[in-house]
Amino acid sequence: DAGITQSPRHKVTETGTPVTLRCHQTENHRYMYWYRQDPGHGLRLIHYSYGVKDTDKGEVSDGYSVSRSKTEDFLLTLESATSSQTSVYFCAIDGGRNNEQFFGPGTRLTVL
Amino acid sequence: AQSVTQLGSHVSVSEGALVLLRCNYSSSVPPYLFWYVQYPNQGLQLLLKYTTGATLVKGINGFEAEFKKSETSFHLTKPSAHMSDAAEYFCAVSGVQGAQKLVFGQGTRLTINP
Repeated sequence: DAGITQSPRHKVTETGTPVTLRCHQTENHRYMYWYRQDPGHGLRLIHYSYGVKDTDKGEVSDGYSVSRSKTEDFLLTLESATSSQTSVYFCAIDGGRNNEQFFGPGTRLTVL
Repeated sequence: AQSVTQLGSHVSVSEGALVLLRCNYSSSVPPYLFWYVQYPNQGLQLLLKYTTGATLVKGINGFEAEFKKSETSFHLTKPSAHMSDAAEYFCAVSGVQGAQKLVFGQGTRLTINP
């Protein structure tokens, strides 16, 4: 158990509203990641963080922002949610051994 | 740049039969390779990984994979399928150096027939 929690686990929202998803880790890992999972696409990296206040974009970052003010928390914000952002969102941490990542339980987001 | 192709979005086998899930990768640097499994409504769990050394790697639940550099492949196998193996499987690649990012394949859903 890598000690990763995500909140909320399920959310339904309306187009145009802001949404923030939270990832919390208990083991002081430096690297944290946000992915989205969609059928036929596997997991695609949205943003990642390599330390407090150090973040960078992944391959599908448009419409998303992130923040990391503490080592243990990595927030993903959809500034103005769209239906194309309906997805399952996973947070992950790098376990520190050979790029191995451990995943949280996921957040299912529906944008109506 | 790195990429992963998983051949077959759905694979169906009978209980007790061989499981073979195919993964080919592209990487401009020596790769680290991973297989993850996802059971319904759960996160991803690491099955096995290749970093360096022995090219045949063994993982949990009786799965193994062989790194073949000449074929740029990392296929996942299990000699005898069990009903509990039904899940989605993802192959992923990362570079030895860099920002420790993983690139995932699109996934293969494995169905086990009784």
